[in-house]
Amino acid sequence: SQTIHQWPATLVQPVGSPLSLECTVEGTSNPNLYWYRQAAGRGLQLLFYSVGIGQISSEVPQNLSASRPQDRQFILSSKKLLLSDSGFYLCACTTGTGNYEQYFGPGTRLTVT
Amino acid sequence: AQRVTQPEKLLSVFKGAPVELKCNYSYSGSPELFWYVQYSRQRLQLLLRHISRESIKGFTADLNKGETSFHLKKPFAQEEDSAMYYCALGTSGTYKYIFGTGTRLKVLA
Repeated sequence: SQTIHQWPATLVQPVGSPLSLECTVEGTSNPNLYWYRQAAGRGLQLLFYSVGIGQISSEVPQNLSASRPQDRQFILSSKKLLLSDSGFYLCACTTGTGNYEQYFGPGTRLTVT
Repeated sequence: AQRVTQPEKLLSVFKGAPVELKCNYSYSGSPELFWYVQYSRQRLQLLLRHISRESIKGFTADLNKGETSFHLKKPFAQEEDSAMYYCALGTSGTYKYIFGTGTRLKVLA
């Protein structure tokens, strides 16, 4: 079965610094990959999703970007962090076509100071 | 617009009491609906989906297209049911999922 790894688990970064969060998937091929931000009272906000290498769809215009350099690797980045980028970031995947169960990673807690 | 609404941020019930977590959706196409649960210090995981029509951990959810609802129900709450519950909408023909804001369920002894 598939397993999602995320790192780092926690991160504290100053405003204006760059960001790179990594997500890797084991146990499946050609997954659809997702980045969400989870905030109290706001649920899970879909940020980006990818259906293949180099294919990124952005849902929310913001200070962040995503890349998928390999089939099972998904990276969330920023050139200059804002205070409002603080939050809990979740990576998820689905396998197969259509709408199936999403598997989630453990998340990264980002604090921008 | 596609939307999922969970009107209750917090729901507290006593052990053994019935539970109903509300979920309403807005979507013009054929919806795929899911309930996800996050227990303390665990990953978000699928609880059930409407297409399976199954009962998981005593929970059931029926899709009511007329009322655009997918409420989660359990006749007798247990303390181990305390968790954060999210309703999610999958949109046919795309790979997107839309989540509600979540309801925290607290089952009191």
